[in-house]
Amino acid sequence: KQEVTQIPAALSVPEGENLVLNCSFTDSAIYNLQWFRQDPGKGLTSLLLIQSSQREQTSGRLNASLDKSSGRSTLYIAASQPGDSATYLCAVNDYKLSFGAGTTVTVRA
Amino acid sequence: EPEVTQTPSHQVTQMGQEVILRCVPISNHLYFYWYRQILGQKVEFLVSFYNNEISEKSEIFDDQFSVERPDGSNFTLKIRSTKLEDSAMYFCASNGNGQGGEQYFGPGTRLTVT
Repeated sequence: KQEVTQIPAALSVPEGENLVLNCSFTDSAIYNLQWFRQDPGKGLTSLLLIQSSQREQTSGRLNASLDKSSGRSTLYIAASQPGDSATYLCAVNDYKLSFGAGTTVTVRA
Repeated sequence: EPEVTQTPSHQVTQMGQEVILRCVPISNHLYFYWYRQILGQKVEFLVSFYNNEISEKSEIFDDQFSVERPDGSNFTLKIRSTKLEDSAMYFCASNGNGQGGEQYFGPGTRLTVT
C-alpha cells in the first residue's frame, strides 16, 4: 500500500524567504506526482504535476523536483508572500491518488 | 477553461438518511473518481469509475456507498444510510488522459451528518 509522508507538518517563515517542502512515498511505481494547495475549509488547487519520466517542473515561483527511484519530491517556493499561506499537499498517482497529510505554511508579513 | 462542478456545496442530513452527491466532470473525460477528507485528516481515495463500472475501490467504499453515471454528464455518489462518521468533504475528480492521467478536482461537497 502506498504511503505518502510530508515533512515538516508546519512551517512559519518571514516574507521573502524561500520555502522547501518535502514529500516521500514508499512505492516508486507511479505515473505522476501532483502538488496541491488547500486553503482552510476549501477545495484543492492543483499547482504542479510532474510525470514519472520528468525530474523537474516549474511554474512561476514554484519549482518541483522528483526522484522516483528514491521516492522523493520537493516543492520550492521562491520569495514567499503572505498570500502563500496555506496547506500544501503532495499526491502520488498509481491509478488513484494517495495524499500526504500536508505541510501548513504561514508566511509572516 | 473547463472545470469539474459539484452540487450541493453543503449538505446537512440526519443519521440514517440517504444522500446523493452530484458531480459534473469535464465533458470529454472518461475516468471519474470520488475522494473524501474528514476534517483535519488526509484526503482519501474512495472509488474510481470507467466505462460504466467501478475500476477500483478502497476499504472505505463498502455496501453503503454506490456510484452511478445516470446520463452523459453527471456522476453521482450515493450513501444509503448515513452515519456520523460520514461527515466529511467529498471531492469528485475526472481525468481525460488514461488511467494514470492528471486528475482535475471539483470544489467539493461538505456533508454534515447530525
